[in-house]
Amino acid sequence: AQSVTQLDSQVPVFEEAPVELRCNYSSSVSVYLFWYVQYPNQGLQLLLKYLSGSTLVKGINGFEAEFNKSQTSFHLRKPSVHISDTAEYFCAARASGGSYIPTFGRGTSLIVHP
Amino acid sequence: NAGVMQNPRHLVRRRGQEARLRCSPMKGHSHVYWYRQLPEEGLKFMVYLQKENIIDESGMPKERFSAEFPKEGPSILRIQQVVRGDSAAYFCASSMAGGPQETQYFGPGTRLLVL
Repeated sequence: AQSVTQLDSQVPVFEEAPVELRCNYSSSVSVYLFWYVQYPNQGLQLLLKYLSGSTLVKGINGFEAEFNKSQTSFHLRKPSVHISDTAEYFCAARASGGSYIPTFGRGTSLIVHP
Repeated sequence: NAGVMQNPRHLVRRRGQEARLRCSPMKGHSHVYWYRQLPEEGLKFMVYLQKENIIDESGMPKERFSAEFPKEGPSILRIQQVVRGDSAAYFCASSMAGGPQETQYFGPGTRLLVL
C-alpha cells in the first residue's frame, strides 16, 4: 500500500509569481506518480504523470514536476502563475506492479491573487 | 470525442431515499472506476468495473451501496436508504485498459446532498 501527503492545504500566491506545491509519497514498491487539477465544480484533469525515464516531467498549462526518489517527493512547479490557475491540485500514486487503484493526497488549494 | 459524462450533476435526497448516479465512459473505454470525495479530502476509491463484471469493490461500503456496468448503457452507482454521511461528490473515471500506467479520465462528478 502507498500513502500520499500534500504538505500544504492552501497556497496563496500573487499573479506572475512562481509556485511550488509539495507532494511526498510512501510506498514499499515502486510507484507511478500523477498530478491532477480540479477547477470548481468540475472533475479532475490530468496535469502530468511520471512513469519512468527523465525525472523532470512537463505537463499542460506550463506545469512541471520533478521525481526525487531519495526524498520520495514529486513536487509540482510553475514559474509564473495566472489567475486562471486558481484551483485544487491533487497528487496521486499508483503501485507500478499492477494496481489500478490510485491513492490521492488531500489536495492543495492554489489561490492566485491579482 | 465526448469525455466522461455523469448525471445528474447535482442530486438532493432525503434520508431513507435511494440515489442513482450514472456514468457514461469515454468512447472506446471499457473500464470504469467510482470515487467518493468528501469535503476537503482527496478522492477515495470505491469500485472498479468492466463491462458486466465487478473487478474490485474493496472501497465500497458493505451495505446500501452497489454498482453495475451492464453490457449496454451507463454504469450505475446506487445508494439505498441514504444517510447524511453519504453527502459527497461522486466521481466516475474511465480508461481504455486497466493497467497502472493507464490514464483515468474523470467525469465532472455528481454532488449528492442528503437532507
